[in-house]
Amino acid sequence: QVQLVESGGGVVQPGRSLRLSCEASGFTFSNHGMHWVRQAPGKGLEWVAVISYDDNKDHADSVKGRFTISRDNSRNTLYLQMNSLRHEDTAVYFCAKAGPPSGSFYHYLDSWGQGTLVTVSS
Amino acid sequence: DIVVIQSPDSLAVSLGERATINCKFSQSLLYNSNKRNYLAWYQQKPGQSPKLLIRWASTRESGVPDRFSGSGSGTDFTLTISSLQAEDVAVYYCQQYYATPHTFGPGTKVDI
Repeated sequence: QVQLVESGGGVVQPGRSLRLSCEASGFTFSNHGMHWVRQAPGKGLEWVAVISYDDNKDHADSVKGRFTISRDNSRNTLYLQMNSLRHEDTAVYFCAKAGPPSGSFYHYLDSWGQGTLVTVSS
Repeated sequence: DIVVIQSPDSLAVSLGERATINCKFSQSLLYNSNKRNYLAWYQQKPGQSPKLLIRWASTRESGVPDRFSGSGSGTDFTLTISSLQAEDVAVYYCQQYYATPHTFGPGTKVDI
């Protein structure tokens, strides 16, 4: 069965950096697009970024220029490099698998990890 | 960016009664070449990650009870729980995947 396990969250000061990881198993990682979605405490879901199987990327305007999504297909791992962190980036970050095998960005998210909490605080 | 209005913000429904949640988008999610609506519904129970219920506006995900149904096309969509069960208490989100950013609705909290 599909498993997505996020790690790398923690408490970080504003302006600092953090890298999140998402280790995938139970499916052919290299065939699927992957996403990051975040959820601020007590709030709704916010889409953050997508990466296709062949490394095309897109990011939400709120993180563009600060966050970078990437992947290592040899390690079945998705990453989110987060620089210049702000208080408003405090959230649980989920990685999610795009539905069918495809190079397209435009698919639903059919499996989600349990999330990792990032707290930006001085 | 595609904007979404989800309603209501919350609703309380008696066990066995119907719950209806609506999402309205600022542009059509119907892709003409394949006649598919790029709309998904997710359920998030307290302390859990979201779970995909419905894709392509009306296709139920495997294992999802048939009391959950999705309908609509273009800009207006509905999630219906035909007979609410205690385990359906959750927040429900619509999401468009027609264009990036893949906008989520603000969520509807369903309670008994």
